[in-house]
Amino acid sequence: GAGVSQSPSNKVTEKGKDVELRCDPISGHTALYWYRQSLGQGLEFLIYFQGNSAPDKSGLPSDRFSAERTGGSVSTLTIQRTQQEDSAVYLCASSLRGSFNSGNTIYFGEGSWLTVV
Amino acid sequence: AQSVTQLDSHVSVSEGTPVLLRCNYSSSYSPSLFWYVQHPNKGLQLLLKYTSAATLVKGINGFEAEFKKSETSFHLTKPSAHMSDAAEYFCVVSDPKGGKLIFGQGTELSVKP
Repeated sequence: GAGVSQSPSNKVTEKGKDVELRCDPISGHTALYWYRQSLGQGLEFLIYFQGNSAPDKSGLPSDRFSAERTGGSVSTLTIQRTQQEDSAVYLCASSLRGSFNSGNTIYFGEGSWLTVV
Repeated sequence: AQSVTQLDSHVSVSEGTPVLLRCNYSSSYSPSLFWYVQHPNKGLQLLLKYTSAATLVKGINGFEAEFKKSETSFHLTKPSAHMSDAAEYFCVVSDPKGGKLIFGQGTELSVKP
């Protein structure tokens, strides 16, 4: 597609429910990233995919968070047993490759706004 | 470890006056540095990037930034602010192993008429 596409754009869920957030990266981009933007917390790195594997998942805040990527394309971020502190904007981004030295650019989606009530 | 510090959480300028958004970085390696802008309820847009080529980097919408290794700085400037520049600006450094961008806390730019 023309840009990074995320769905849903907005999600309100009850505490304790599971949610799935979807990211469709730019066609041909091998690298995919998930970030979280919380009020007062700035942007936090969650996980990075290169192809279907995740060489860096150091930012996942707890074992309630998981992500997968299939076919080197679409990725799903799953949050189990949601808590109110999970409320945030979840941003997905993609790039042609995973290194920056050659001027590789990361493109961000508009995010999925998650509210846990 | 890599990190960035944005020295101002909020900057207010008048339309037509210069903009200066300050950023200092810490990196064990020769870093790749970026500035991103986020308009209200919009996604992040890349303004410019430094990847060890020219130290003065020109970006979109008249913005530029200068990489100063001696000062570990990468300040963002624009000669003349426009109302449409009002947004949140993020200074970002890359992890040298690739795959991760480390964001500063952001600077909110307000532009007064």
